[in-house]
Amino acid sequence: AQTVTQSQPEMSVQEAETVTLSCTYDTSESDYYLFWYKQPPSRQMILVIRQEAYKQQNATENRFSVNFQKAAKSFSLKISDSQLGDAAMYFCGTNSGGGADGLTFGKGTHLIIQP
Amino acid sequence: DTEVTQTPKHLVMGMTNKKSLKCEQHMGHRAMYWYKQKAKKPPELMFVYSYEKLSINESVPSRFSPECPNSSLLNLHLHALQPEDSALYLCASSQEGTSVNEQYFGPGTRLTVT
Repeated sequence: AQTVTQSQPEMSVQEAETVTLSCTYDTSESDYYLFWYKQPPSRQMILVIRQEAYKQQNATENRFSVNFQKAAKSFSLKISDSQLGDAAMYFCGTNSGGGADGLTFGKGTHLIIQP
Repeated sequence: DTEVTQTPKHLVMGMTNKKSLKCEQHMGHRAMYWYKQKAKKPPELMFVYSYEKLSINESVPSRFSPECPNSSLLNLHLHALQPEDSALYLCASSQEGTSVNEQYFGPGTRLTVT
């Protein structure tokens, strides 16, 4: 069984600033993956970044990077140079590796970008 | 092409109606998923198909009946729904046989049960 906790229901950041969204998880799987998805208002879920749990190196995708602390079961998302288009609900999720497995999501963090 | 399409975008149905939701992908993915998302909540897994066979059913009521006619199509047949079934229904797909289960989502069907 997997659980994901996002403790920040809402975050606000000034445009061009940096913001970090928190996520902790628990899983009984030895092989698992972690994801951040973005869901803009009334729009579809988009994969922002993924992390294989067996990799020590933190994943990076342009302005988005993660801080993966496996022992602490923590997987935070850092957004640099925030842009108005980053405003969305952000969901942290996990699933097991090796086959088709549904995602377990946290409750989400609503990110507001102040112009 | 990394697109998952869903039809219809919106659906209003009465409690005695029968309707179907459709999902399609042409990425060669062999795993497909249905999720239900209530307002201001995360998506919750309903069903998983792997190689056109149902592999996970998260104890979903029988008024929801999934079908995977081929590797590109996924349907969700709806019958005798309740008002509390009103939600956004999301379809997703992923590659099978690889170590990373990265899922691509469609835009969803917003269902209202009256």
